[in-house]
Amino acid sequence: SAVISQKPSRDICQRGTSLTIQCQVDSQVTMMFWYRQQPGQSLTLIATANQGSEATYESGFVIDKFPISRPNLTFSTLTVSNMSPEDSSIYLCSVAVSGGLEQFFGPGTRLTVL
Amino acid sequence: GENVEQHPSTLSVQEGDSAVIKCTYSDSASNYFPWYKQELGKRPQLIIDIRSNVGEKKDQRIAVTLNKTAKHFSLHITETQPEDSAVYFCAARTATGANNLFFGTGTRLTVIP
Repeated sequence: SAVISQKPSRDICQRGTSLTIQCQVDSQVTMMFWYRQQPGQSLTLIATANQGSEATYESGFVIDKFPISRPNLTFSTLTVSNMSPEDSSIYLCSVAVSGGLEQFFGPGTRLTVL
Repeated sequence: GENVEQHPSTLSVQEGDSAVIKCTYSDSASNYFPWYKQELGKRPQLIIDIRSNVGEKKDQRIAVTLNKTAKHFSLHITETQPEDSAVYFCAARTATGANNLFFGTGTRLTVIP
């Protein structure tokens, strides 16, 4: 499996500001994803980060709110824009290896918006 | 898209007993079914998975079974230990479309010493 790191691990932000979360993998991976996990809830896919092209967003998530970059096969960023308290959540990076089946998660970024 | 349902939402067992968590999926094209364990404050960890061409897979005290006809799969944990206490998520990936993983709602397992 790949070693996945995320920065920051947690942050407390003010309403109306933006936060960029970084995801770094120790090896090249085919697929990178961003998930949100609200307290006590399951994992919800925000988008698939595509290398060299625009991310593919799931229903309910838009690029203006969650811009994503993936400049290469080992790194991606997710920005949470114009934050509100409803954005308080854990944001997880995930990668797929081994031909795209097995999927592993980063440690997550715990975001609190005041 | 795929819809994954998971039951029960909570499960308490005595140490040493077995635990079974069940999931159903809606898309007959789904072909990969992983299970994740998430301890409090930690990331989800892949503990076992099964592909659609296999009916059962075991790894020590953990096993997963798949019934493609009925579109359901189950996680079996035998000889449970307190360290098995966690939230368990099932997931399914369809072979069509974006090939994304769709997650169940989770089962909070508590193993009572």
